[in-house]
Amino acid sequence: QKEVEQDPGPLSVPEGAIVSLNCTYSNSAFQYFMWYRQYSRKGPELLMYTYSSGNKEDGRFTAQVDKSSKYISLFIRDSQPSDSATYLCAPSTNAGGTSYGKLTFGQGTILTVHP
Amino acid sequence: EADIYQTPRYLVIGTGKKITLECSQTMGHDKMYWYQQDPGMELHLIHYSYGVNSTEKGDLSSESTVSRIRTEHFPLTLESARPSHTSQYLCASTSGYGYTFGSGTRLTVV
Repeated sequence: QKEVEQDPGPLSVPEGAIVSLNCTYSNSAFQYFMWYRQYSRKGPELLMYTYSSGNKEDGRFTAQVDKSSKYISLFIRDSQPSDSATYLCAPSTNAGGTSYGKLTFGQGTILTVHP
Repeated sequence: EADIYQTPRYLVIGTGKKITLECSQTMGHDKMYWYQQDPGMELHLIHYSYGVNSTEKGDLSSESTVSRIRTEHFPLTLESARPSHTSQYLCASTSGYGYTFGSGTRLTVV
């Protein structure tokens, strides 16, 4: 079983829709939860970062963590065509990864927002 | 603007050639990483480094090698390229708060 499982998608939604992207994980030691966005032919970029359970909002993006069920979500409100990308979850035991900085990534969800 | 630079962005090379993919960062990060990513697929860690003169193999076995002689520079070398090495190679670094990735090198071995 993989340490991080992510809904593979792909997801295709109309502009303005609310998007929900989800991951589950198995390591109860994960405390930090990151979401990366990767545009085509680019490297991933850090989108959101949360610590422990709860919600964090940043503009149209909300990251939600439920440690009791080992479930993490990213919500995108009023989705835009510019949100079309691959989204990767990356839970971790510390902010920079494991003791040597390793991050475990989900396999990514491809999102397309069409006008 | 990215503070981690990878060159070349695209490389098409013949089987058996030796290649070096360059990665440099200007942020003074100690920890650096190389990931391999096939189109639409997961990121796989192939090498990492804690600092100068420190290199370790990652989770995915790779025939490539790396070196870390300077903090800012973490090149990856393939002594004899094969078609199975065709992939995207991503370099990243961290100061302890998430990763900063380069734009990647897309390698095609023909």
